[in-house]
Amino acid sequence: SSELTQDPAVSVALGQTVRMTCQGDSLRSYFATWYQQKPGQAPLLVIYGNTNRPSGIPDRFSGSSSENTASLTITGAQAEDEADYYCNSRDSIDNHLGVFGGGTRLTVL
Amino acid sequence: EMQLVESGGGLVQPGGSLRLSCTASGFSLSNYDMSWVRQAPGKGLESVAFLSSGGDAIDYADSVKGRFTISRDNAKNSLYLQMHSLRAEDTSRYYCARDIAEGRYLDWSLHYFYYMDVWGKGTTVTVSS
Repeated sequence: SSELTQDPAVSVALGQTVRMTCQGDSLRSYFATWYQQKPGQAPLLVIYGNTNRPSGIPDRFSGSSSENTASLTITGAQAEDEADYYCNSRDSIDNHLGVFGGGTRLTVL
Repeated sequence: EMQLVESGGGLVQPGGSLRLSCTASGFSLSNYDMSWVRQAPGKGLESVAFLSSGGDAIDYADSVKGRFTISRDNAKNSLYLQMHSLRAEDTSRYYCARDIAEGRYLDWSLHYFYYMDVWGKGTTVTVSS
C-alpha cells in the first residue's frame, strides 16, 4: 500500500498563518481528507475532498492540493487549534480502508 | 445528534479474544459504510476494518487479517469488531467511524470524496500478560 508523508511537527505564532503538507502518490488519484485530534479526544473531520469544510469548522481552515501534495492551511491560528493533524486518502479503488499520514503536531506559540 | 459509542475494551492476555461494540444514535447505522480505526499509545491512526452498508464489501488491514472480523446488527443499530489471537501490538484505542463516499460531478465527470464524518470516543484494548 502507498504512504502519506507529513512533517512531524510545526509551530505557529498566535494569529499567524501555518501550512501543513501531506505527500503521497495516492494524492494524484484520490482526494485528501484532514482530521484534527486534540489530546484525549477522537479525531474530528476538518477538510474533505481536498478543499471542503464540514459545517461547524471555522473558515480559517482551508485545504488545497497539487500533484502529489495536499495542504492544510490555518489562517490566523488560535490557541484552540493546537492539536495533531492527520491527512488521509484512499490508495486504490479496491481498498476501502485508505491510508493515514503519520500526523503533524501543531504548536501555537 | 448523531453519536457513536464504543464499548468492550479491556485488558486481555496475548492470544486472547475480545469483542468491541459500537452503538449508533441519531442515525441508522444500516444506511452507512462503517470503519474501525485504531491508535496505539503515542502513535498515529490506522484503519483496520471496513464494512459497507450492504455488507457486500469488507476490508481488513494486513496486520489484522484472519484474526479480526467486522460485523453489524441492524436491529441493534450496532457495529462489532471480533478480535482473536490478540497480540501486544494490537494494544490501542479503537474508534468506530461513519464512512462516507460522496459523489460529486467535477469537470463533467463523477468523483468521490471519501471521509469519516462521525467518530466515537473510542474504547481501549490492552494486550498484556
